[in-house]
Amino acid sequence: NAGVTQTPKFRVLKTGQSMTLLCAQDMNHEYMYWYRQDPGMGLRLIHYSVGEGTTAKGEVPDGYNVSRLKKQNFLLGLESAAPSQTSVYFCASSPLAGGLPYEQYFGPGTRLTVT
Amino acid sequence: AQSVTQLGSHVSVSEGALVLLRCNYSSSVPPYLFWYVQYPNQGLQLLLKYTSAATLVKGINGFEAEFKKSETSFHLTKPSAHMSDAAEYFCAVSGRGSTLGRLYFGRGTQLTVWP
Repeated sequence: NAGVTQTPKFRVLKTGQSMTLLCAQDMNHEYMYWYRQDPGMGLRLIHYSVGEGTTAKGEVPDGYNVSRLKKQNFLLGLESAAPSQTSVYFCASSPLAGGLPYEQYFGPGTRLTVT
Repeated sequence: AQSVTQLGSHVSVSEGALVLLRCNYSSSVPPYLFWYVQYPNQGLQLLLKYTSAATLVKGINGFEAEFKKSETSFHLTKPSAHMSDAAEYFCAVSGRGSTLGRLYFGRGTQLTVWP
């Protein structure tokens, strides 16, 4: 199993450009998440999904959109990138255990710089 | 919403010394609790988890944590630090009710191990 994979690993954007980050998991997990990590801020949840075709806002959703058309994939889009979106982005997935979501498994991250 | 406080953004110990990383959570109901470790330029890896079974939880790499409801704490310890333990450590608490499936992370503690 590859676990959780993220594409791309690195990206540099100019202000106003758009891009999509792809997350894929091969563990048949129900829940998927997108976080951003900034120095001294820990991980902050952007959006998450409790199943195929569903999405929900997290702590810092502004400027981002997501889609989960397939159970194994969770896409994070930036429509008009801003320098404040320079960050490391992590995707995670979580199985259900006893009907409840359990620990999260993380991808390796995408380092995004917006100039 | 749930929250986690990690006391000390940086902790330094000598190789062979006790490691103690502090975590306090806010919850009226005992939640699920997790410790994750992040090595440089990598994603987060689960160290251990508390899910209302034994209050002393053993994890990987010789780490353990004790759930203390009266103190709302879940401190992480290791009897003898190794150079390879140098990393950033995150405590997380699970959401409940409408936030079920979410994890709320602390801001992290950077552990440095001196030879």
